[in-house]
Amino acid sequence: GAGVSQSPSNKVTEKGKDVELRCDPISGHTALYWYRQSLGQGLEFLIYFQGNSAPDKSGLPSDRFSAERTGGSVSTLTIQRTQQEDSAVYLCASSKTPGNTGELFFGEGSRLTVL
Amino acid sequence: DQQVKQNSPSLSVQEGRISILNCDYTNSMFDYFLWYKKYPAEGPTFLISISSIKDKNEDGRFTVFLNKSAKHLSLHIVPSQPGDSAVYFCAASDRGSRLTFGEGTQLTVNP
Repeated sequence: GAGVSQSPSNKVTEKGKDVELRCDPISGHTALYWYRQSLGQGLEFLIYFQGNSAPDKSGLPSDRFSAERTGGSVSTLTIQRTQQEDSAVYLCASSKTPGNTGELFFGEGSRLTVL
Repeated sequence: DQQVKQNSPSLSVQEGRISILNCDYTNSMFDYFLWYKKYPAEGPTFLISISSIKDKNEDGRFTVFLNKSAKHLSLHIVPSQPGDSAVYFCAASDRGSRLTFGEGTQLTVNP
């Protein structure tokens, strides 16, 4: 597709369950980011992948969160043993330029609700 | 530590008037600044950017001003249109590092 694609668009889960969120970046974009937006909050950085370099995981809030990017393209964000405070919109973005001198293209997000 | 702050959660203006959205930052190493616009149920979209070597960048109705000494940037929209109603995020990066976003400002342009 032409844009960043995320799935699922909505996910409702019970506390304690694991969830996987998927991001398909724009073809040819080497950089991929995960952010989340909790209700009434700004965009919180989670993790950043750039090419074959080690990812910047400095924003992951706990060890229940992990992400991988296979083949330099699709990325999966996994949240284990979900908690209610994990409820948020999880946004994926990609960029064709290394670092952030270029604009990020965002997907529509995956809305996670933990009951 | 909130390095990028948008102190106004909301702003309301009349159609045709100027909208001014403000953003302050604390990290003096930030050298690239961007504004994003977000409609409900959509991802943010890039609007305009400015490098720290400039103090102004203009694109149509949108102008971004950067005051490095005050660590302040602003986005001016003139004339404002109802379709501009959205949440506006400012963001900053330090020499190509990941973007740090502000909390966002909800702009409402009234017809």
